[in-house]
Amino acid sequence: DAGVIQSPRHEVTEMGQEVTLRCKPISGHNSLFWYRQTMMRGLELLIYFNNNVPIDDSGMPEDRFSAKMPNASFSTLKIQPSEPRDSAVYFCASSFTVATNEKLFFGSGTQLSVL
Amino acid sequence: QKEVEQNSGPLSVPEGAIASLNCTYSDRGSQSFFWYRQYSGKSPELIMSIYSNGDKEDGRFTAQLNKASQYVSLLIRDSQPSDSATYLCAVRPYSSASKIIFGSGTRLSIRP
Repeated sequence: DAGVIQSPRHEVTEMGQEVTLRCKPISGHNSLFWYRQTMMRGLELLIYFNNNVPIDDSGMPEDRFSAKMPNASFSTLKIQPSEPRDSAVYFCASSFTVATNEKLFFGSGTQLSVL
Repeated sequence: QKEVEQNSGPLSVPEGAIASLNCTYSDRGSQSFFWYRQYSGKSPELIMSIYSNGDKEDGRFTAQLNKASQYVSLLIRDSQPSDSATYLCAVRPYSSASKIIFGSGTRLSIRP
């Protein structure tokens, strides 16, 4: 298995533009997580899905952020409109949730720079 | 109060010594605890998980859990320069079925 695949690896955009980040989880995993990492705030959980259903989106900063998981093999995180303070590394992670034994597998991340 | 707290460091340890990393958490009912290692510019990777009070050893790594004190630690014996990284403590809170919350990480530097 190729692991969790994220695209793009790097994204540079201007304030106000729409940004879409993509994630393909590991086949067979039933949970998918979107995290954002910055020096100031560390690794923050934005939203997670279980069996393609959003379970907790309380970490989504504001209405400019939205996430979808239309099927078990694909998820998107969209920012519209983007702002400079959204600049961060965005990680997608997946796991196979069985009781309490959960190992998160992270993608390589998307480095987002909003100018 | 943050859900998971760590000292940001940097923690500098001489090669061959024991590195001790600490973490506290706020949700007393939490059941699952993890240590992830993150090299600069890379994604986090799991190195240890622990679910019961006491110690759990895996090679040079030992995780320690004290639920009464809401405290988790990671010991790295015979520290190597390749251990230089940021170590992230993560907790699955009782209040959520699958949510995993990370601390801000402790940067560890092993000096030759």
